[in-house]
Parts: sequence; structure tokens; C-alpha cells
Amino acid sequence: EDKVVQSPLSLVVHEGDTVTLNCSYEVTNFRSLLWYKQEKKAPTFLFMLTSSGIEKKSGRLSSILDKKELFSILNITATQTGDSAVYLCAVEGYGNNDMRFGAGTRLTVKP
Amino acid sequence: GAVVSQHPSWVICKSGTSVKIECRSLDFQATTMFWYRQFPKQSLMLMATSNEGSKATYEQGVEKDKFLINHASLTLSTLTVTSAHPEDSSFYICSARDVRGIEYSNQPQHFGDGTRLSIL
Repeated sequence: EDKVVQSPLSLVVHEGDTVTLNCSYEVTNFRSLLWYKQEKKAPTFLFMLTSSGIEKKSGRLSSILDKKELFSILNITATQTGDSAVYLCAVEGYGNNDMRFGAGTRLTVKP
Repeated sequence: GAVVSQHPSWVICKSGTSVKIECRSLDFQATTMFWYRQFPKQSLMLMATSNEGSKATYEQGVEKDKFLINHASLTLSTLTVTSAHPEDSSFYICSARDVRGIEYSNQPQHFGDGTRLSIL
């Protein structure tokens, strides 16, 4: 059965800190891993990763995938209070079209 | 970019009422849409896969007769919570992916804004 495990489940930091969020997975016929940010409404898309070792970057956020060790990390540098949210990791496998989500990491950035 | 619209955003109703939630793809066609449910402080759980022109595929433990899904066109899927009870109160979210003419593995799914359902 497909499984996605995120850690830590919650994290409290101060503005300016750098954080690393972890996601490990087990999925049949891996196709992609996705990171989403969820505030009060539905998740918003951050990154989609399909290949190992290629860092994807968007501003202060970056992510990388290791398909050998079956995990991904999401880095946020120089955190701001607006980064406070739940960060969700999801995986997709070939043969189906849906996503399986991890429990999420609740990040709180204090001023 | 691809946009998914979900309506209504918030529903409060009495126990026993049936509630219909709409999910529309605004600028693309979606042969497949997905319905998720999220309880407070929990992650998204896939309920069912909605297939245009055919029956939906439900995840284990999700009652087909309680959560009716209709995907009558390439841009609209509906989820009807029949005879809703307080335990059905949750955040319901749909998603879809634009697969037109593009290798779909390169496109992420996009979510609607979700529907917060409160059953009194």
C-alpha cells in the first residue's frame, strides 16, 4: 500500500530561520512527488519532482528528491510569518491518477 | 494556468439534508476529477475518483450511496452528500489535472478552494 510519512509533524521557528521539512514515501511505480502549501483553504501547488538530484527552486523555497532513498526535502530559507502553514507532501504512481498525501508539517513562524 | 472552481465554499444545514457540491474546471477539460475529505488538523484523504461518462471509483470505506458522484461533462463533477449527519461535517476538496496535448506526468493537479460542510 502506498505510504507517505512527513516529519516533523509540527515546527515552530522565528523569522529568519531556515527550516527543512522531510517526506519519505513508498509507492508502487513511482511517477512524481509533489509539495503543497495549505493555509486556510485548499492546498496551493509548490513543486513537482520526478527526477533524483535536481533541485527545484522558487524564491526562498527549494526542494529535491532522492529516488534511491525514497525521500524528499523542502527547504525554506529566511522564513517569514507568511510562511506559516501546513506543508503537504503527496506522491503519485503510474497506473493510477490520484495522489496520496502525508499527514503534513504544521510550520509556525514567529515574529 | 489551470483553474478549478468549487462551489459552495461553505454550507451549514440541518441533519438529514442532502448537500450538492460542484467542481468545475474553468479553462480546461478534465476527464478525471478527484474528491478529497479533510477533517480538522488531518491530511487530505481521497474519497473517490470521478470519471466523465462512467461510474466513479470509490476508496475503501467510502459509502457509494451516501456520497453520490456525477461527472456529466468534461468540465463538471458533483458530489452529493445524501442525508447528511453531523459526522459528515468536514472540508471537502476537489482536484483535477489538465491533460490536453501534454504528457500529463508533467502537470500537477490543481485544487478547488474547498467546501466547508457543517451539519447541525
